[in-house]
Amino acid sequence: EADIYQTPRYLVIGTGKKITLECSQTMGHDKMYWYQQDPGMELHLIHYSYGVNSTEKGDLSSESTVSRIRTEHFPLTLESARPSHTSQYLCASTSSDTDTQYFGPGTRLTVL
Amino acid sequence: GENVEQHPSTLSVQEGDSAVIKCTYSDSASNYFPWYKQELGKGPQLIIDIRSNVGEKKDQRIAVTLNKTAKHFSLHITETQPEDSAVYFCAARKVTGRRALTFGSGTRLQVQP
Repeated sequence: EADIYQTPRYLVIGTGKKITLECSQTMGHDKMYWYQQDPGMELHLIHYSYGVNSTEKGDLSSESTVSRIRTEHFPLTLESARPSHTSQYLCASTSSDTDTQYFGPGTRLTVL
Repeated sequence: GENVEQHPSTLSVQEGDSAVIKCTYSDSASNYFPWYKQELGKGPQLIIDIRSNVGEKKDQRIAVTLNKTAKHFSLHITETQPEDSAVYFCAARKVTGRRALTFGSGTRLQVQP
């Protein structure tokens, strides 16, 4: 069982609102990731972090931003939500000495 | 960058039959290939993985085969059960660097009782 958590699990919000999706892991993993999952299932990397104070953009362009102030915490922020941001957001983590990447349960975001 | 293609997109089998899902990858530097199962409302869960120095790996009813020369790998599920119904993703990754996974587009497996 993976010790990686995401809150909220579901969020319905109006256009223009600022939102933060929370992700935390208790496994001491140095590397963390955010993926966006299309309604058609495909997962795309939008952000990743090698460790504290390290953040990089992924393969899919995203208007969201991330921060990594603590090892266990990797929040994702949207300053002004739009309907095009409606999607499932999945957080994941791994460490340098293991292959396995663990996923959280996801946050399903709907922007009206 | 890496590109992973996965087929078929949907697969329906009768309970007890076998299911096979195939993936190809483009980057010869990729050397780690996991398979994830995603059930409705949940995040993906690792079910089996294989490294490039191994050709086959088995765990009970699940097996993965890898052909490095052809750059393809496959998931085999035998004696399928209704609880195997889910979306399955293959992925590829280089061991060095950012260690992020590149995913296939997913296969929706339906096991008919």
